[in-house]
Amino acid sequence: SAVISQKPSRDICQRGTSLTIQCQVDSQVTMMFWYRQQPGQSLTLIATANQGSEATYESGFVIDKFPISRPNLTFSTLTVSNMSPEDSSIYLCSVEWPSGSSYNEQFFGPGTRLTVL
Amino acid sequence: SQQGEEDPQALSIQEGENATMNCSYKTSINNLQWYRQNSGRGLVHLILIRSNEREKHSGRLRVTLDTSKKSSSLLITASRAADTASYFCATDRDQGGSEKLVFGKGTKLTVNP
Repeated sequence: SAVISQKPSRDICQRGTSLTIQCQVDSQVTMMFWYRQQPGQSLTLIATANQGSEATYESGFVIDKFPISRPNLTFSTLTVSNMSPEDSSIYLCSVEWPSGSSYNEQFFGPGTRLTVL
Repeated sequence: SQQGEEDPQALSIQEGENATMNCSYKTSINNLQWYRQNSGRGLVHLILIRSNEREKHSGRLRVTLDTSKKSSSLLITASRAADTASYFCATDRDQGGSEKLVFGKGTKLTVNP
């Protein structure tokens, strides 16, 4: 499977600030995904990030709040903008592996635990 | 609406016992995946079962899929304290190659030493 890392692993931020989370993969992948996991909850897909195109956002998530970059086939960032305590969650990136597989087997990074005060 | 629903929500067993978790879903799927999450960490991919498969094994894990009932089960045999974690099922909808995964609410498993 692909090896995925995320930075930072955790952070505590003040209300109104922004945090950019990085996701790095050790292999080139087409599809990268960003998820949010609120405390005690399951995972919810925020957006799908393909290299060379705009990210596709799920219902309830907007680009102004969660801008995403995908500059190449091994890297992506998610920014949580103008944060409020409700944004306190674990944010996870995932990749489809093998890339282009029809089975959509997804592997996840270790997550970024965000606490907003 | 949530695609996958696991039950039970929480399960507590003794080391050495078997643990069975169930997942139900609502629409046709391409495949179903099971993941493990240790407290507040990333998800570990356990197993993927395709819609045309009925059973799959990986070590102490056994997954079954019944597409007629839209349900799957994950069996962990001879459980260990290290199996303590939350377990999630995720489905990939059969919509012409949709890559989106929809996760269930998860089962929190506690294995007591």
